[in-house]
Amino acid sequence: GAVVSQHPSRVICKSGTSVKIECRSLDFQATTMFWYRQFPKQSLMLMATSNEGSKATYEQGVEKDKFLINHASLTLSTLTVTSAHPEDSSFYICSASIVNEQFFGPGTRLTVL
Amino acid sequence: GQQLNQSPQSMFIQEGEDVSMNCTSSSIFNTWLWYKQEPGEGPVLLIALYKAGELTSNGRLTAQFGITRKDSFLNISASIPSDVGIYFCAGSEGGSEKLVFGKGTKLTVNP
Repeated sequence: GAVVSQHPSRVICKSGTSVKIECRSLDFQATTMFWYRQFPKQSLMLMATSNEGSKATYEQGVEKDKFLINHASLTLSTLTVTSAHPEDSSFYICSASIVNEQFFGPGTRLTVL
Repeated sequence: GQQLNQSPQSMFIQEGEDVSMNCTSSSIFNTWLWYKQEPGEGPVLLIALYKAGELTSNGRLTAQFGITRKDSFLNISASIPSDVGIYFCAGSEGGSEKLVFGKGTKLTVNP
């Protein structure tokens, strides 16, 4: 149980385009999902908390207009990187929460050319 | 944001050896979690701790929630090559579901 999927696993895009990443909880419902960003050889940095049916809560320094989050259902949250630039290239990971435990998706490697 | 102090940063050991790593925080945590991450993958939950003093095992892994609620350790006994990866501690404060992560311990096991 507690399986979280992400799609796509890898994406390469041109600068200026938008990219959507999906996060799904496959065998449980998650009222809260989280989006993280991880640079090479670094730890996970929380970007935002995604709440089903309400606006996401963004961490300090994260541009909400650049990283659009939609939590459309209890099993799906999406992160859209708008007008992507090379500095947005990173490993994006989502997680879904059950009580106090977070279960992570496999991550999405974004490369912006 | 706040980060946990995790040590050591990296470890190089021989197969069969035991491993110990720990995390400390300047504030009190209500939950400590230990994750393992392999290259190109998301972290996988190994052990979750909820009470001060709690000692929990998962196979060859043992973790403890420190009495002060400001620290936790993870031990791996009789390491094997597939233990290779980066181990992260994570904790949550108060009633928050948000996790704060340590910087990770990179484990290399030589056969």
